[in-house]
Amino acid sequence: DAGVTQSPTHLIKTRGQQVTLRCSPKSGHDTVSWYQQALGQGPQFIFQYYEEEERQRGNFPDRFSGHQFPNYSSELNVNALWLGDSALYLCASSWRGGSSYNSPLHFGNGTRLTVT
Amino acid sequence: AQSVAQPEDQVNVAEGNPLTVKCTYSVSGNPYLFWYVQYPNRGLQFLLKYITGDNLVKGSYGFEAEFNKSQTSFHLKKPSALVSDSALYFCAVREANTGKLIFGQGTTLQVKP
Repeated sequence: DAGVTQSPTHLIKTRGQQVTLRCSPKSGHDTVSWYQQALGQGPQFIFQYYEEEERQRGNFPDRFSGHQFPNYSSELNVNALWLGDSALYLCASSWRGGSSYNSPLHFGNGTRLTVT
Repeated sequence: AQSVAQPEDQVNVAEGNPLTVKCTYSVSGNPYLFWYVQYPNRGLQFLLKYITGDNLVKGSYGFEAEFNKSQTSFHLKKPSALVSDSALYFCAVREANTGKLIFGQGTTLQVKP
C-alpha cells in the first residue's frame, strides 16, 4: 500500500520564477493538505483540498495556489518566488469521509525547494 | 486561537533511560492532540493521538503520552530510550472544524549510547 508520494524530492529555482510541486495521496484518502516547513520550524498550514476545491487556507499570499484532480492527486504552485520561500513543502492526506479531526494526517517525504 | 508550545529545543537522554518530551497547548473547546516524529530529510510520521478517553495514550514504537487537562499538557514519554529514537518530535493540535494541524516548534531528541 503506497503512502503519500511527492515529486520532485529537490528543486532549485531562481527568485521570480514559478514552481509546481506534485502529490499523490495515500490509497483510500480523498483530502490533501499542504504545509510549508522552514528550516528549524514546525510545519505551517498552506491550504487543504477536497472534492477538487480549496476548502481551508492558512496565512499565505495568493502567490501560493493549488489544484486537486479527480484522482485526488494535487499540485502546489508558487509564483514569483522569493528567497523566503525556500523550505521543505509537505503534502499530507487524510480521509474526510470519517471524522476529520480524528483520523491522523499521513505525510509524504516532502519537496525541498531552494530559491537562489 | 489555538496554539501548541514545546518549551525545550533539545532533550538529551542516555540509552535505556526514560525520556519525556514536553508539550503544552491552548485551545478553545476539546483538544485533539497529536505527536509526530521527523527523521532527517523525511516527512512526518504519526506516533499517537488523544481525542477523548484515557489520559494515557499508547502509540507506535513504544511511545506513550499523558494528557493532563488541568495543566493543559500532553507530554510524550518512553520508558526506555533507544539510540534510534533520536529525531525531531512535533506536538500538534487539530482544529475540529477544519482538520488543520497547528504544530509546535519541535524538540530534537538526542539519545546517546
